[in-house]
Amino acid sequence: EIVLTQSPATLSLSPGERATLSCRASRSVNSYLAWYQHKPGQAPRLLIYDASNRATGIPARFSGSGSGTDFTLTISSLEPEDFAIYYCQQRSDWPPMYTFGQGTKLEIK
Amino acid sequence: EEQLVESGGGLVKLGGSLRLSCAGSGFIFSNAWMSWVRQAPGKGLEWVGRIKSKPDGGTTDYAAPVKGRFTISRDDSKATVFLQMNSLKTEDTAVYYCATGIGFDNWGPGTLVTVSS
Repeated sequence: EIVLTQSPATLSLSPGERATLSCRASRSVNSYLAWYQHKPGQAPRLLIYDASNRATGIPARFSGSGSGTDFTLTISSLEPEDFAIYYCQQRSDWPPMYTFGQGTKLEIK
Repeated sequence: EEQLVESGGGLVKLGGSLRLSCAGSGFIFSNAWMSWVRQAPGKGLEWVGRIKSKPDGGTTDYAAPVKGRFTISRDDSKATVFLQMNSLKTEDTAVYYCATGIGFDNWGPGTLVTVSS
């Protein structure tokens, strides 16, 4: 089973700053890596799929990069609504399963 | 607009059963792969299982902690996917979300399941 490790666990930044979130896989996931934003009491929202493709309606300040075992989510200039928990996720074809990272909490400094 | 709404959550005793439903609208439900994901109190997201569309075989896959206890099914005529949960444990207490797609493109608001001892 592939394990995803996200860092840091908590990131404290101010609006307007750049956020860089990391996700490392225990072995290669090719590019089957997605990022989600989750706010308390709300449904999670898909931000990035296949490592670097923005989902429909996601602002251009969100970008994803990486391949193999190391991936990054970058938010170029934080807006107040961006403070949330972010999860990376991988999917494998065999055995068929999905795994989430433990999450990075992005909080207002 | 794609919409998903879960229902059926509630309080159930240890060892009991519960069936969750997820109704979809605004998309071609019969072509959609549907998954269930849960979040236990204070924890992160955990994939529970998925069912493929019937054109893609309609097969199911489950996470290890629920395999043999949970069953996912679908009724495309009602645009609904179900999660039958048996032999419930306290560690199954969570908000349960349904989500569409091979990647989880769209999610419902979730329904809370509490298993009491």
